[in-house]
Amino acid sequence: GAVVSQHPSWVICKSGTSVKIECRSLDFQATTMFWYRQFPKQSLMLMATSNEGSKATYEQGVEKDKFLINHASLTLSTLTVTSAHPEDSSFYICSAEPGLAGGVGETQYFGPGTRLLVL
Amino acid sequence: AQKVTQVQTEISVVEKEDVTLDCVYETRDTTYYLFWYKQPPSGELVFLIRRNSFDEQNEISGRYSWNFQKSTSSFNFTITASQVVDSAVYFCALSEAWNAGNMLTFGGGTRLMVKP
Repeated sequence: GAVVSQHPSWVICKSGTSVKIECRSLDFQATTMFWYRQFPKQSLMLMATSNEGSKATYEQGVEKDKFLINHASLTLSTLTVTSAHPEDSSFYICSAEPGLAGGVGETQYFGPGTRLLVL
Repeated sequence: AQKVTQVQTEISVVEKEDVTLDCVYETRDTTYYLFWYKQPPSGELVFLIRRNSFDEQNEISGRYSWNFQKSTSSFNFTITASQVVDSAVYFCALSEAWNAGNMLTFGGGTRLMVKP
């Protein structure tokens, strides 16, 4: 149980285009999902917290107009990198937290990640 | 502010050796949760364990064991009789109860290389 999928796993795009990444919890509902970014040989950096039915909460320094997050259902959150540039190239990972909002210390289950390369 | 430190950036062992990955944390909260995740070369983070601050019992799961010591704010992870498949980056993480968003604070990770 507790499987999270991400699509696509790899994406190569031209500078200036937008890319959408999907994160799905396959066997559980998740009121809360998280989006992380990871550079090579570094730890995970939280970009934003995605809450079903409400606006995402972005971490300091993350441009909300650049990284659009939509959490339209209890099993799907999407991250759209708008007008992508080479510096946006990275490994993007989502995670989902089973259960309803309000749980404390819940385990986050991670998706397999999406490698984005912007040319 | 919360912080997780994994001082070992890389460890290299030979198969069948035991290896311990250290994790030290800082928090002002009395209720918190500690996690370990494994990130193999494929990139996906695999959940290994969750421990709350009120449960200091050590845990063993097969070749994996965890030692939680509140007195030293440490949550160390030991792999017994390591195998090549254990090669991965291991992350320790902290979640504080006051933080309703359940955000995880990750350590920098320890890259474990197990050689045959």
